[in-house]
Amino acid sequence: GAVVSQHPSRVICKSGTSVKIECRSLDFQATTMFWYRQFPKQSLMLMATSNEGSKATYEQGVEKDKFLINHASLTLSTLTVTSAHPEDSSFYICSALPPLPQKRESGNEQFFGPGTRLTVL
Amino acid sequence: KNQVEQSPQSLIILEGKNCTLQCNYTVSPFSNLRWYKQDTGRGPVSLTIMTFSENTKSNGRYTATLDADTKQSSLHITASQLSDSASYICVVSGGGSYIPTFGRGTSLIVHP
Repeated sequence: GAVVSQHPSRVICKSGTSVKIECRSLDFQATTMFWYRQFPKQSLMLMATSNEGSKATYEQGVEKDKFLINHASLTLSTLTVTSAHPEDSSFYICSALPPLPQKRESGNEQFFGPGTRLTVL
Repeated sequence: KNQVEQSPQSLIILEGKNCTLQCNYTVSPFSNLRWYKQDTGRGPVSLTIMTFSENTKSNGRYTATLDADTKQSSLHITASQLSDSASYICVVSGGGSYIPTFGRGTSLIVHP
């Protein structure tokens, strides 16, 4: 299957600082990437949809000025948590959607990254 | 409203035993249904995909079933192993959106 990487895998920062998380599709070009947040024992919650070359679409309740998303290339999307606070501590997961038709032989499967554990002190 | 409900929320079984996880959905029109396994601290990994015409599909010790009429799916795990301990997430695509609907997952713990 397709490979999606995230960096860093784990980050600890002080309250008030900004943290950038990278999501890369390693063997395919992804015009669409998704960013999720997951709290302990909860399912994935979609934060935003990132489209290459255009502004991200944010889900209701997600502050676009706090969670900055940039999808500058077909293989890279970044999520920046600005002025992080302890309540932003969570597990952030990205996924990438391969373009039609090459890798979508199994339907609209999203390939997930390994996740980034953010802890804000 | 597109919804995916999973049961049980959590499950504890002994190594070697079988178990079945349930997924009910209201997503319409239906496109496909996937079961993902998510190990703690990792991203989800796809186990199976079920389309409308498929009733059952196996992937090793994992067997998924789909009843599109009743909008129900199950994931059966045979001869469980300690490494099966994870969260199992049911994800349904369709409903007029390319963004799928996620269930809350079933947390499975396999004890020796």
